[in-house]
Amino acid sequence: GNSVTQMEGPVTLSEEAFLTINCTYTATGYPSLFWYVQYPGEGLQLLLKATKADDKGSNKGFEATYRKETTSFHLEKGSVQVSDSAVYFCALSDENWWYAGGTSYGKLTFGQGTILTVHP
Amino acid sequence: NAGVTQTPKFQVLKTGQSMTLQCAQDMNHEYMSWYRQDPGMGLRLIHYSVGAGITDQGEVPNGYNVSRSTTEDFPLRLLSAAPSQTSVYFCASSYSRGLSTGELFFGEGSRLTVL
Repeated sequence: GNSVTQMEGPVTLSEEAFLTINCTYTATGYPSLFWYVQYPGEGLQLLLKATKADDKGSNKGFEATYRKETTSFHLEKGSVQVSDSAVYFCALSDENWWYAGGTSYGKLTFGQGTILTVHP
Repeated sequence: NAGVTQTPKFQVLKTGQSMTLQCAQDMNHEYMSWYRQDPGMGLRLIHYSVGAGITDQGEVPNGYNVSRSTTEDFPLRLLSAAPSQTSVYFCASSYSRGLSTGELFFGEGSRLTVL
């Protein structure tokens, strides 16, 4: 089945440091890939996405490139801020979700999450 | 602009008690789901629904029950609470075509402790 593996956390950085959070996946077919962010006390919200190989998703200074050859979707930001402190989740959706039925229908597979803390 | 609303935000139960977590969305989304979030395990799908009257099981459905009588509401019932159900629960919804792009809209979560 599908799976997502994120780098172990927590990650602690100083403001303006460079951020990388690694994400690799295992999937049948050709999934879409996502990063979600969860700020303290809130629900998850979509940060960025990529739906095909070599696509780059970007938002709020964060970027991630869909690398099919390495089955990866690493999250990067050139200069983090204290306000970026949150939990980050990598996720994928099965390309066949609409047709397959069964347990893959309507399912996003999430990684375990990486806690990021940015200090002033 | 309510989005997805979950109640209660916090709940403490004793083993064997039953309760219902409420979820409502005002975006006319066809798809609704419940996830549980546990440390080091990410989010795991409990149940989901693709429309009123239609529900299906996710990865970890045991001990939970759902129904979908209206488009707006998708309650999650714990039949006989166990300490293993201590978790943070998230309700999420999407328009069905948005699912292929992964755009789930999440509530703020309900933190449940079972003693």
